[in-house]
This record gives sequence, structure tokens and C-alpha cells, in this order.
Amino acid sequence: AQKITQTQPGMFVQEKEAVTLDCTYDTSDQSYGLFWYKQPSSGEMIFLIYQGSYDEQNATEGRYSLNFQKARKSANLVISASQLGDSAMYFCAMSGRYNTDKLIFGTGTRLQVFP
Amino acid sequence: DSGVTQTPKHLITATGQRVTLRCSPRSGDLSVYWYQQSLDQGLQFLIQYYNGEERAKGNILERFSAQQFPDLHSELNLSSLELGDSALYFCASSVGSGAWDTQYFGPGTRLTVL
Repeated sequence: AQKITQTQPGMFVQEKEAVTLDCTYDTSDQSYGLFWYKQPSSGEMIFLIYQGSYDEQNATEGRYSLNFQKARKSANLVISASQLGDSAMYFCAMSGRYNTDKLIFGTGTRLQVFP
Repeated sequence: DSGVTQTPKHLITATGQRVTLRCSPRSGDLSVYWYQQSLDQGLQFLIQYYNGEERAKGNILERFSAQQFPDLHSELNLSSLELGDSALYFCASSVGSGAWDTQYFGPGTRLTVL
């Protein structure tokens, strides 16, 4: 069975600093996708970044990058130059061929950015 | 704005009642997924439709049902509601049905059962 683990219930970071949110996963699939979503206090789920298991380079999207270490089964999200608007819950998720197309989510990390 | 729309945004109802949640996917997306987010269970996959056909089922209760219509919008029907059904219900859509297609989420429907 697939599983996502996010061990940091909460993180604090000062504005303009970088922060890493941890995510480890467990799967027996060889082909899978890893995703990060942001959920602000307003409740919507916002897609941030995607990494495929066969992608050799780490994914980047603006200030977001995914530190993918396949052997360690980790897919950490790095936010550079944090902004106050980055304060939110962040969810790591994965999908895989043998898991149909559904996303399996971690429990999330609440990030708070302070001035 | 993800392009996925959900109505209503909020729904307050009583135990034993039935409600219908509606979702319109992004233009061009054929897959629709329903997820439930509750404090105790986290984010859970309920069901997926692809181009009108049910494709995958998760931990969806028998009291819940869904369908996807020819115009690709989807409805999630929740009946015999219980207090524990109070949650945020998300619809998501993707272009195809592959495990690597990014799912874009709607704003959610917050259901409160009193």
C-alpha cells in the first residue's frame, strides 16, 4: 500500500528566509507521481508542484522546488524567499499506477511565516 | 482560480437529510474526483469518474453516490446524513485518467450536519 508521511505538524519561518517541508513516501510502484498542494485558511487546495518518479531533475516552479531523493523515498518541498502569504497548510500527495489515479495525502504541515 | 467550480460553498443541514453537491471540471478535463477532508480522517479519496464512467472507488459510504453527466459535470449525493459527515468536500479534475495527471481542486463545499 502507498503511504505519505509528513512528520512536521508545524513550521515557523521568517519572511524572506527559505524553508524545507519534509515528505517521505512508501510505495512498491516503480512509476508514480508526487505532488504538493497548499491550503490557505480560506480552504481551497492549490496545486504547487509535481515530480514524476522517472524525472531525473528536481522540479521547480517559481519559488517552489521539490528536492526528490528517490533512494531515500523523500520529496521535500523547498520554498525560497518566504512571504507572509505562504502561511498555510501544505500537503504532500502521491499517485501511482497500481493505486488507480487517486491521490494519497499526508497529514500536512502548517507553515507560519512571520515578519 | 483552478477553473474547477463547486456549488454550494456552504451547506448546513440536519441529520437524516439528503444533499447534492455539484462540480464542474476545468474545460477539457475528462476526469472528476471527489475527496472528503475531515479533522479526524484527513483528506480521503471517495470516487473517480472518467468521461462519464466510474473508474475508481475509495472509502465511499453506501449512503453516498455520485455520477458524471454527459456534459462532464458531476454530482455527489449524500443521504441519511450523520453528524460525522460534516466535512469539506472537494471535487478535483484532470485531463486524463493517468496517475501522473495533475489534479486541480475546486474551492470545496463545506457541509455541516446539525
